[in-house]
Amino acid sequence: QLQLRESGPGLVKPSETLSLACSVSGGSISSSPTTYYWAWIRQPPGKGLEWIGSIHSGGNTYYSSSLRSRVAISVDSSKNQFTLTLTSVTAADTATYYCARQTWTSVGFFDSWGQGTLVNVSS
Amino acid sequence: EIVLTQSPGTLSLSPGERATLSCRASQTLSSNAAWYQQKPGQAPRLLTYGTSSRAPGVPDRFSGSGSGADFTLTIAGLEPEDFAVYYCQHLGSAVTWTFGPGTKVEI
Repeated sequence: QLQLRESGPGLVKPSETLSLACSVSGGSISSSPTTYYWAWIRQPPGKGLEWIGSIHSGGNTYYSSSLRSRVAISVDSSKNQFTLTLTSVTAADTATYYCARQTWTSVGFFDSWGQGTLVNVSS
Repeated sequence: EIVLTQSPGTLSLSPGERATLSCRASQTLSSNAAWYQQKPGQAPRLLTYGTSSRAPGVPDRFSGSGSGADFTLTIAGLEPEDFAVYYCQHLGSAVTWTFGPGTKVEI
């Protein structure tokens, strides 16, 4: 059974860089079919879901237009994980960050999710 | 970019009743949407996707449908564990994705 788990600091100072990793078990990122992408989604406290970006093990990436200038997603196949980097963070980036597997068919739905990790941006 | 609107914002119902949740896209690149359930403190859970497909393990009281830019999640007979927030999801553009603001189903 596929499992995803986010890890990273729970507190980041304003203007600094947020970095999170998502470890995948029960399946291989690098051997995933072209129909599978790996995504980051966030949820500010008490608010809705926002898609951040998606990556395929082959390197194709897609980012939210509102975050594109500050975000990067990469894959580390040797560790079977993918990472999120968000630069120049502000309080508006405070959220629970989820990693998820995305099936690239139909409307590109997210069928497996990590438990989420809360990141606070504060000095 | 496509914007999703969900209605109602809150749906107050009793166990056993039928719930109908709506999602409308400002434009559409596909004839269907995905639906998720989120309970407090938990990650979202995929319920339905495609024309009428349910994710593994999802009870058959959950069904999704769509027509043009309008999508519907129906819960036929609410169970106590179904009281939660529900999100629809669609393409935001050709290669971006977007979620609706959510509908809270409460007792």
